[in-house]
Amino acid sequence: GESVGLHLPTLSVQEGDNSIINCAYSNSASDYFIWYKQESGKGPQFIIDIRSNMDKRQGQRVTVLLNKTVKHLSLQIAATQPGDSAVYFCAENMRTNAGKSTFGDGTTLTVKP
Amino acid sequence: NAGVTQTPKFQVLKTGQSMTLQCAQDMNHEYMSWYRQDPGMGLRLIHYSVGAGITDQGEVPNGYNVSRSTTEDFPLRLLSAAPSQTSVYFCASSYSSGLSGGGQYEQFFGPGTRLTVL
Repeated sequence: GESVGLHLPTLSVQEGDNSIINCAYSNSASDYFIWYKQESGKGPQFIIDIRSNMDKRQGQRVTVLLNKTVKHLSLQIAATQPGDSAVYFCAENMRTNAGKSTFGDGTTLTVKP
Repeated sequence: NAGVTQTPKFQVLKTGQSMTLQCAQDMNHEYMSWYRQDPGMGLRLIHYSVGAGITDQGEVPNGYNVSRSTTEDFPLRLLSAAPSQTSVYFCASSYSSGLSGGGQYEQFFGPGTRLTVL
């Protein structure tokens, strides 16, 4: 079946640097994409989402870019902090069913002080 | 609001035992879902519900049953536990599609139930 995948399972950055986490998806019919952050021992938490008719969306310190031509999604975190250390997942959805997400395998971000 | 709550937090079962994982939400969300997360992997959808009385299968439904008698509750039943069901189980809820505003499609996750089947 179709699924969302991430390019790198782990990423290590220095505190203060910018981080870029990538995701490749294969279902061109997906209506929107979501990035989640999962800290150790907790459930995933929403970071930011983007609809399929957009190519960029910005939040607080985070930016999501969507390239539908190559089916690629990225999450950029500015001025990465130790509290950003976590596993990051991308997920894709159809707008007709918000309860049915397809998740990628995740990228573990480690921020070194 | 308490958000999404799950009980128990931890559970150890023997092969063949049955149990129910509880999930409740107090946000009046229409959509509720159950996912399992195996070590080092993403979440896989087990079952989901688009409203009270309506459920459907996800990617990995075998060995699990669900029901949705109220908007608030969405229990997951393991009929006869197997070691392959050792995992962390997450319940999530969300608004229905079509609402305006940012973050409308996000799912709110509970803290998870860590299940070990011996």
